[in-house]
Amino acid sequence: GQNIDQPTEMTATEGAIVQINCTYQTSGFNGLFWYQQHAGEAPTFLSYNVLDGLEEKGRFSSFLSRSKGYSYLLLKELQMKDSASYLCAVLDSNYQLIWGAGTKLIIKP
Amino acid sequence: GAVVSQHPSWVICKSGTSVKIECRSLDFQATTMFWYRQFPKQSLMLMATSNEGSKATYEQGVEKDKFLINHASLTLSTLTVTSAHPEDSSFYICSALDSLQGATQPQHFGDGTRLSIL
Repeated sequence: GQNIDQPTEMTATEGAIVQINCTYQTSGFNGLFWYQQHAGEAPTFLSYNVLDGLEEKGRFSSFLSRSKGYSYLLLKELQMKDSASYLCAVLDSNYQLIWGAGTKLIIKP
Repeated sequence: GAVVSQHPSWVICKSGTSVKIECRSLDFQATTMFWYRQFPKQSLMLMATSNEGSKATYEQGVEKDKFLINHASLTLSTLTVTSAHPEDSSFYICSALDSLQGATQPQHFGDGTRLSIL
């Protein structure tokens, strides 16, 4: 079966750095997405990785290792507005998007 | 660019009522749209994939006769929750893929519809 694992909840301090991990086992791989979802709102796209390595986009970076079936989202200089759920999703061989359950990130002052 | 408009944003209605939710791609054409449901504190659950001009593909466990999907144009898909009951209360979200972009593009999401059945 297809499976995506990410921690249910994480807590971090304002101004700090946090890394949200995602491991996956899917039928094929055509890329991995990270989305941010604030409570009561729709998801917004953060990043897409299809090749191994680190993609940096401002305070957010996303890393992928295809051989390990592993990705992480790195958030630097955390702000209170970063409190949200972060969803990892993998595009499988049929270009179907498989969603993780999401990681709720709580930022404390 | 890539704006998806979902309407209405909030619906409260009596049990037994049918509710129609619209999902429009405003500045692009969308051959494929998706309908999701999300219960409080849970992740997105794909209900169905909607393809313009053909029947929607429903996920296992989703009743196609209860959740009617129509994708009659390249910019509009509708989801009708027929004879809604309190257990259908949820956050419904649509997303769309730009027909001119490749299969690895991110999905563009609408703002969601919060449905409350009394």
